[in-house]
This record gives sequence, structure tokens and C-alpha cells, in this order.
Amino acid sequence: ETGVTQTPRHLVMGMTNKKSLKCEQHLGHNAMYWYKQSAKKPLELMFVYNFKEQTENNSVPSRFSPECPNSSHLFLHLHTLQPEDSALYLCASSRSSGANTGELFFGEGSRLTVL
Amino acid sequence: QKEVEQNSGPLSVPEGAIASLNCTYSDRGSQSFFWYRQYSGKSPELIMFIYSNGDKEDGRFTAQLNKASQYVSLLIRDSQPSDSATYLCAVNYGGSQGNLIFGKGTKLSVKP
Repeated sequence: ETGVTQTPRHLVMGMTNKKSLKCEQHLGHNAMYWYKQSAKKPLELMFVYNFKEQTENNSVPSRFSPECPNSSHLFLHLHTLQPEDSALYLCASSRSSGANTGELFFGEGSRLTVL
Repeated sequence: QKEVEQNSGPLSVPEGAIASLNCTYSDRGSQSFFWYRQYSGKSPELIMFIYSNGDKEDGRFTAQLNKASQYVSLLIRDSQPSDSATYLCAVNYGGSQGNLIFGKGTKLSVKP
């Protein structure tokens, strides 16, 4: 396997469900990210992990809970979501932090629909 | 509020023409600048980055940066229908991953 892989690719859940999104990177990178992409809006950074440590939490509601057990895996646990949380959730990785950080490698995304 | 502005388009150009995509940013402290391409239904992929004032060329793509005007652009020469996609401008305001801000993107359509 190569690159950044995300599962599931599509997810439909009710507002009371609990589900998780999974991301795995095979690039040997040290930083991993969760982004949210909604129609007509810019990509929104949600969380950043650098060497397994969370370094950014961009004011994300607590119904989204990230987990990074190691530098290759990243999860986003979802519970009691709202319909407005329906979006494409993108995982990305990069080599490390630094002034020129922006060279991100994205997974294909998980399309989430909240009913 | 740090912002990255792009014209949402669509920008339509004929095959073989030069496509010019523009981006402005609000913070003079910005250090690095990126262009991502996103095909419909796909994830963004990095195509160019530029850190210094001036031009940077890579094949048919040229990134241009003017920090005094807070302006960055992407030129695509000899545009092909396969270049039809949304182009996202991203700006890093400095120092950490959390400072990368994306624009909404410009949709480019190259007509055969």
C-alpha cells in the first residue's frame, strides 16, 4: 500500500450513533491532520498531531474526538453528530512541522452524511 | 482574521491557452505558499509551492509570488482538458501546521 488511506469512504449515521473514521499513512511522515471540507467553504483544519502528540485543536466541538496511537494511524471518533456535520473528512500527512509546512499528502476522504 | 481569497470561477479557457489563477492573502507575515489541484470527487494534491518572491516554473506550471502586493498566482500554459479541476491556494502564516489557511478554490474548465 502507498500514500494515505482512509476508511470508510462513505458513512451514513444517525444523530445518536457512534462511529469512527480511520486513516493510515505509509509515507513515513511524522505529522497527521484531520480536515473538514464542506460545499462552498474552504478546507477547515480540525486537528494536528505531530509525533503522536496533538498540537492543534482548531476549536472543534467535543462530539469529534481524535486519537493518534502512533505516527502512522489517526482516528476520528464521532458521536451525537448534527446534520450540519455532514461533509467530506480528509486526512493528511506531512513530514514534520516547520515554517514551510504545507506540503500535505491527502487521503481520498470519508464522505459523512448525518441524518 | 487571516484570509485567503480566490475567485470561485468557473474560469473557462480554450485548450492550448494560458490559464491564470489568482490568490490574495491578508497577513504580511505569510512565509510559504502552495497550490493544490482537486479533481471532482477526489482529494487535493499538491502541484506547486513557492517561498520567495518571483517566479517558479515546473513544466507547464508557473507560480508567481509578490509579497509586497500579497498576491500569488498560478499560470498553466498550453492548458489541457485534463487540467479541468478546482485549484486551491494555501498560505502558511508561519511556523506550524496549524497556520496553513486554504482559499475556497477556483474551478477551471478547459474546453477542447
